[in-house]
Amino acid sequence: AQSVTQLDSHVSVSEGTPVLLRCNYSSSYSPSLFWYVQHPNKGLQLLLKYTSAATLVKGINGFEAEFKKSETSFHLTKPSAHMSDAAEYFCVVSAMNTGFQKLVFGTGTRLLVSP
Amino acid sequence: EAQVTQNPRYLITVTGKKLTVTCSQNMNHEYMSWYRQDPGLGLRQIYYSMNVEVTDKGDVPEGYKVSRKEKRNFPLILESPSPNQTSLYFCASRGGSIRRDEQFFGPGTRLTVL
Repeated sequence: AQSVTQLDSHVSVSEGTPVLLRCNYSSSYSPSLFWYVQHPNKGLQLLLKYTSAATLVKGINGFEAEFKKSETSFHLTKPSAHMSDAAEYFCVVSAMNTGFQKLVFGTGTRLLVSP
Repeated sequence: EAQVTQNPRYLITVTGKKLTVTCSQNMNHEYMSWYRQDPGLGLRQIYYSMNVEVTDKGDVPEGYKVSRKEKRNFPLILESPSPNQTSLYFCASRGGSIRRDEQFFGPGTRLTVL
């Protein structure tokens, strides 16, 4: 079975400092992995996705994530946080369910950015 | 503009009063899903549909029904809502290859059952 664990429920950073949101996954086969962002009172937006091509994946708004099979990790990073990055972030693994792609969500990490 | 729309966006109702949340996509996607989001639990799949007239249960289907009579629409039906169905609901759709493509999410429906 596929699962994801987001290691921090909350992460606080200062504007201009690096961001690290941690995610470990479990999958019985080569996974597809995603990071979604949810701003307050908004729907979910895809930040980036890993689909077995390059292990370093670049997404929107300066975010990137590195797929590390040996560590079963897919951590999300950004060199310099901006106030607009404050949101909830979900790490997601794609699972197969009778031929249908099912997304298994982590419990989310709330990113707080202070001035 | 390619999008998934949901209505209503906000709904307050009482226990036992049947309601329907509509979902529509304009991308000609075969696959559609419903999720509920609860604090500390992330998003959990309620039902999904692989195509017209093909639906199946997700992880938390109890108390919900769905139908897929047209490709673009995938309504979520609560026949007799209860307070434990108070939640934020998202509809999503996807086309393309089975594993690789992203799902597009609607803006969400916040439901309160008193």
